Amino acid sequence: AQTVTQSQPEMSVQEAETVTLSCTYDTSESDYYLFWYKQPPSRQMILVIRQEAYKQQNATENRFSVNFQKAAKSFSLKISDSQLGDAAMYFCAYRSRNDKIIFGKGTRLHILP
Amino acid sequence: DAGVIQSPRHEVTEMGQEVTLRCKPISGHDYLFWYRQTMMRGLELLIYFNNNVPIDDSGMPEDRFSAKMPNASFSTLKIQPSEPRDSAVYFCASSFTNSRSYEQYFGPGTRLTVT
Repeated sequence: AQTVTQSQPEMSVQEAETVTLSCTYDTSESDYYLFWYKQPPSRQMILVIRQEAYKQQNATENRFSVNFQKAAKSFSLKISDSQLGDAAMYFCAYRSRNDKIIFGKGTRLHILP
Repeated sequence: DAGVIQSPRHEVTEMGQEVTLRCKPISGHDYLFWYRQTMMRGLELLIYFNNNVPIDDSGMPEDRFSAKMPNASFSTLKIQPSEPRDSAVYFCASSFTNSRSYEQYFGPGTRLTVT
C-alpha cells in the first residue's frame, strides 16, 4: 500500500527567508501524481503545486517550487521569500491510478516576523 | 463556478442523534470524496464515488456511517447514531477525470461537534 510521510510536524522560518518542507512516499507504481496542499486557519484546503511523476522537470509556482527525486521517492516543497500569509498546515499528497489520494500527516509552518 | 459547497458549516448535536452532512460538487466533476480530519488521525478518506457510484468505502469507520450520491450534483454523509468520537471536520472534495492532474477541489468543511 502507498504511504506518505512528512517527518517534520512543525517548522518555523523568518519572514523573507526560504524554507523546505520534506515529504517521502512509498509506492510500486510508476505513474502517479504528487501534490502539496495548504490549509490555513480558515481550514480551507488549497492546492499549492502539483507534479506528474513522468515529468523530470521540477514544478514551480511563483515562490513555491518542488524538488522531485523519483528514485528516492522524495518530494520536498521549497517556499522562497516567506510571507506571513504562508503560515499554515502543509500536506503532501499522492494520487495513484485508482484515483485514491493519500495524504501525509502534515507540517505546521510558522512564519516569524 | 462557486466551488464545492458543503452544508452546514457547523453542526452541534447530542450523542445519539442523526447527523446529515451535505455536499454539492463542482459542476462537471465525476469524482466525489468524503474525508474526515481530526488532530489525532489527520485527514482520512472515508469514501469516494465515480459517476455517482461508490467505488471504495473501506475508510468508513463503522455501520453508523453511510453515504449516498443520488445524482451528479449532490451527496450526503449520514451518521446515525452519532457519538462524541465522531467530532471532527468533514470535507467533501471533487475532481474531474479528464483534467491533466486529477487534482481535488475541497469544500470549506463541516465542523461537527457531538456532545
